[in-house]
Amino acid sequence: DIQMTQSPSSLSASVGDRVTITCRASQSISRYLHWYQQTPGKAPKLLIYAASSLQSGVPSRFSGSGSGTDFTLTISSLQPEDFATYYCQQSYSSAYTFGQGTKLEIK
Amino acid sequence: QVQLVQSGAEVKKPGASVKVSCKASGYAFPSYDITWVRQAPGQGLEWMGWISAYNGNTNYAQKLQGRVTMTTDTSTSTAYMELRSLRSDDTAVYYCARKKDCSNGVCIIHFDYWGQGTLVTVSS
Repeated sequence: DIQMTQSPSSLSASVGDRVTITCRASQSISRYLHWYQQTPGKAPKLLIYAASSLQSGVPSRFSGSGSGTDFTLTISSLQPEDFATYYCQQSYSSAYTFGQGTKLEIK
Repeated sequence: QVQLVQSGAEVKKPGASVKVSCKASGYAFPSYDITWVRQAPGQGLEWMGWISAYNGNTNYAQKLQGRVTMTTDTSTSTAYMELRSLRSDDTAVYYCARKKDCSNGVCIIHFDYWGQGTLVTVSS
């Protein structure tokens, strides 16, 4: 299976900060990479699909980039509702896999 | 609007089976596959498999082969996930999600709508 590794595992930041989360695949996955946001007790929510396409209804402060093995999720100006856990996920192989998650906490 | 509504929490003993349902509304059920993802307490997301709501084809995670069965009932727009021979490490929240092939001309599989989750607790 393709391994997905996120960094950092946790991150403290303040409202208004610019934040970047990284996801690395164990082999090239082209642009078959997606980002999800999960708040406690809730289901994951799709933010970005195909590495850089913004899901409908998601604020434009979220953006994604990358291809091949290295990808980033950037939040341009953190809002209070953005403090959550973020997961990357690949759909390049038929055995879909997720990263271990990055917990974004308030500083 | 698209909605996936899952069945309620379950408590099962080791060795038993559980069947979780996921009722879809707001779209043409046969047009999209349904995928299942689980999350153990305090842990990350684990993909379990998917089923075609059009023809019933399935693709299961190798780890769960032989213990999991996914089915659909197109007459009620409902997907089901059955897990057998339950163990304590199967304790998790189980999610269904809609598997979308293309969005805005970009054809890369992703999961766009999710159910609310079903907690399955395995305990003696």
